[in-house]
Amino acid sequence: NAGVTQTPKFQVLKTGQSMTLQCAQDMNHEYMSWYRQDPGMGLRLIHYSVGAGITDQGEVPNGYNVSRSTTEDFPLRLLSAAPSQTSVYFCASSYGGANQPQHFGDGTRLSIL
Amino acid sequence: DQQVKQNSPSLSVQEGRISILNCDYTNSMFDYFLWYKKYPAEGPTFLISISSIKDKNEDGRFTVFLNKSAKHLSLHIVPSQPGDSAVYFCAASAETSGTYKYIFGTGTRLKVLA
Repeated sequence: NAGVTQTPKFQVLKTGQSMTLQCAQDMNHEYMSWYRQDPGMGLRLIHYSVGAGITDQGEVPNGYNVSRSTTEDFPLRLLSAAPSQTSVYFCASSYGGANQPQHFGDGTRLSIL
Repeated sequence: DQQVKQNSPSLSVQEGRISILNCDYTNSMFDYFLWYKKYPAEGPTFLISISSIKDKNEDGRFTVFLNKSAKHLSLHIVPSQPGDSAVYFCAASAETSGTYKYIFGTGTRLKVLA
């Protein structure tokens, strides 16, 4: 049982490049979300999805796009990377319901030069 | 505006003593509160949660207390062990119009001294 799988684990980009961070879960979870973790800022919600075909913005959505064409996958796209997007990105999933604990992947460490 | 706040960035506690981690929130619509633990280079893992209709939930060494009138919750770890050294995040969620999201605090780094 793989849980939540994020790829890649590390990535270095140049300013202006585009990239997709992959997230897949094998637990048939309805809810999926993306967070970024920055020093002193905790985990900030970027985008989330309550089910396939449904996405919504979180606290810091600017510069990021998402789609949810299947239950299993929730990719995060950076269309034009900026140094301010240097961060550690975490994907999470959970069963439906606001009381459900989320399962997190191990993160993608992204550096933008 | 930070809806969920953890005002203590770090905390050091002697092994065997009690660790108390605090969390404050501003949105009275939050229905559920969850605590997560995070080790370096790993994703957060769920610890314990509490519904807004309760004021206490206990699971082994971990107890969460909720004071709705003060918009404050706390996580108690008794007794603290060196393996508890990690960053702890509180999170809150509210379900409105069929959708919901989880908002996290900034985290508290706990160090348990042997």
